[in-house]
Amino acid sequence: QSVLTQSPSASGTPGQRVTISCSGSTSNIGIHTVNWYQHLPGTAPKLLIYGKNQRPTGVPDRFSGSKSGTSASLVISGLQSEDEADYYCASWDDSLNGYVFGTGTKVTVL
Amino acid sequence: EVQLMESGGGLKQSGGSLRLSCVASGFIFSNYEMNWVRQAPGEGLEWVAYIGSGDGTKHYADSVKGRFSISRDNAKNSLYLQMNSLRAEDTAIYYCARELAGSGPAFDYWGQGILVTVSS
Repeated sequence: QSVLTQSPSASGTPGQRVTISCSGSTSNIGIHTVNWYQHLPGTAPKLLIYGKNQRPTGVPDRFSGSKSGTSASLVISGLQSEDEADYYCASWDDSLNGYVFGTGTKVTVL
Repeated sequence: EVQLMESGGGLKQSGGSLRLSCVASGFIFSNYEMNWVRQAPGEGLEWVAYIGSGDGTKHYADSVKGRFSISRDNAKNSLYLQMNSLRAEDTAIYYCARELAGSGPAFDYWGQGILVTVSS
């Protein structure tokens, strides 16, 4: 089981705002950057957010990230049908001396 | 265009060995840190191993430490994952991924993935 915990699922109707949370500890999120990925079945994961809420070229600005203490959040503002996917947070963990991914959140567009 | 292409996957018996390769193109391979990430059937993403740009620094997930070894050949633009003492729980799609410098686990380019199946 991962040291980064996410809610298993989230949902919303098109246009709604959806928030995905990622809970960690002082050995990971509390002191290190959190990055976010979108993963569609059968495809390679896609980097959505990295560093201090930076988006790679091509990622829509409806995706944004934030961090507070030992938790982080990904917000999808204006949910679209193509946003239906699995989302993962990721960070470095000092105790494990390695990277860790969150447990993943499946987003459903109703 | 940045491309990463994995190869070497397949079916192996428990206890066996397998070597995955990832050939990079479209960027200066030697400048980038690289990683392997896997996804077991029905499970989430799991980071497996990291190697620094000069190959001196390596990190592994506890689940593979002592069994897997990451390496690279910058002259061949290639990344490798030597997998020994394979277990059924190593069955997964394995991805190689390029890491953005200084941004933690910011993997900006990924290969298409290669399936490794370990039979018990």
